Amino acid sequence: SQTIHQWPATLVQPVGSPLSLECTVEGTSNPNLYWYRQAAGRGLQLLFYSVGIGQISSEVPQNLSASRPQDRQFILSSKKLLLSDSGFYLCAWSLGQGREKLFFGSGTQLSVL
Amino acid sequence: GENVEQHPSTLSVQEGDSAVIKCTYSDSASNYFPWYKQELGKGPQLIIDIRSNVGEKKDQRIAVTLNKTAKHFSLHITETQPEDSAVYFCAASLNSGYALNFGKGTSLLVTP
Repeated sequence: SQTIHQWPATLVQPVGSPLSLECTVEGTSNPNLYWYRQAAGRGLQLLFYSVGIGQISSEVPQNLSASRPQDRQFILSSKKLLLSDSGFYLCAWSLGQGREKLFFGSGTQLSVL
Repeated sequence: GENVEQHPSTLSVQEGDSAVIKCTYSDSASNYFPWYKQELGKGPQLIIDIRSNVGEKKDQRIAVTLNKTAKHFSLHITETQPEDSAVYFCAASLNSGYALNFGKGTSLLVTP
C-alpha cells in the first residue's frame, strides 16, 4: 500500500531564515505531488504541483519554491522566511492520469517569529 | 477557474442528530466531488467521493448527493457521534488529474 511521509511535524523559524520541508511517497511510482498551505481557520491553498521529476508548476507567486529531485520526493523551500509564511503545510499525492483521488500527509505546522 | 463555496462554516449538532454540509461549484464541466475530514493537527482524509454520472453515494453513516443542474452537492452524516467532530472540506475537479479546488471548510462539533 502507498504511504506518504512528511517532516518535520512542527517547526519554529525566525524571520529571514531558510526553509526546507521534505515529503516522500512510498508504494507507487510516478505520482503527482502537491504542496498545499492552510492558514489558521482557512481553506486549502494549492502552492505547487508536479507531474514528474523536475516538473514544477506554481499556482501562487510567493516567497516559496518547490523541487522534485526524485520521482517520489518533493521539497518545499524558501531562502528567507516571512512572517506571512506561517501556516500548516501539507504534502499530497495522487496517481494522476485523470485519477484525482488525493491523499495527504500529516502536515507541518510552521511558525515564523 | 473553478470556485467552490461551502456552507455553513461552523455547525454544532447533538449526538445522534444528522448533519448536512452544502457546497456549490461554478464550472459545469467539473465531474469529481470528494469530501475530506480533517482532525486537529492532522492532514485531511478522504471520506467519500462522487462522480458526476452518479446522483447519490452512501457509505454507512455518510452519504453525498449531487445536483448537476443546480451545481451543488452535499454531505450528510446520520446518527452523529462525538468522533465525527472535525473540519470537513468539499472539493471539485475538472478531471484534470492534477488539482482539486477546495471549499473553505466546515467545523463540525458533535456534543454528547
